[in-house]
Amino acid sequence: QKEVEQDPGPLSVPEGAIVSLNCTYSNSAFQYFMWYRQYSRKGPELLMYTYSSGNKEDGRFTAQVDKSSKYISLFIRDSQPSDSATYLCAMTTMDSNYQLIWGAGTKLIIKP
Amino acid sequence: NAGVTQTPKFQVLKTGQSMTLQCAQDMNHNSMYWYRQDPGMGLRLIYYSASEGTTDKGEVPNGYNVSRSTTEDFPLRLELAAPSQTSVYFCASRRDRGPFNEQFFGPGTRLTVL
Repeated sequence: QKEVEQDPGPLSVPEGAIVSLNCTYSNSAFQYFMWYRQYSRKGPELLMYTYSSGNKEDGRFTAQVDKSSKYISLFIRDSQPSDSATYLCAMTTMDSNYQLIWGAGTKLIIKP
Repeated sequence: NAGVTQTPKFQVLKTGQSMTLQCAQDMNHNSMYWYRQDPGMGLRLIYYSASEGTTDKGEVPNGYNVSRSTTEDFPLRLELAAPSQTSVYFCASRRDRGPFNEQFFGPGTRLTVL
């Protein structure tokens, strides 16, 4: 079993829909949780991060962490075609020299 | 700032050939990483370097070598290329200060080994 599980998709939704992307993990020591966005044929770039549990909002994006369930989510409101990309979750512990453990990535397609 | 740069963008090798993937960053970051990305596998760490002069193995180091003789450069060497090394390779560097240490990625090198 992988340490971080993420459905690879693809997930196809119409423009304007609310998108929910998720990852589950097994290591309860993870404390930093990140979402990276990767456009086709580009390197990943950090979208959002949270420390420990709770929610964090940035514009149309909301990241949630539920440590009791070992489950993290990224919500995208009013989705746009420009949001079409692969979304990778990543997580790490403070004592691992910030080595990131990555999910496989979910390919998201927003249809105009 | 150019950020993290990688060369070449594309490369085709024959089995048994050798090559070096170049990576450079101009952000004065101490930590640098090499990942490979395969379909359905996410990013897997090959090697990382916490500072100039130090390197450590990651999850999938076999068939690769690295060196870190300067802060800016972190080349990845494939000595005897094998078809299993066909992948997209990403180099990254990490900001070492502040409450959160974001990794910055290069544009990637697409490698095919025939």
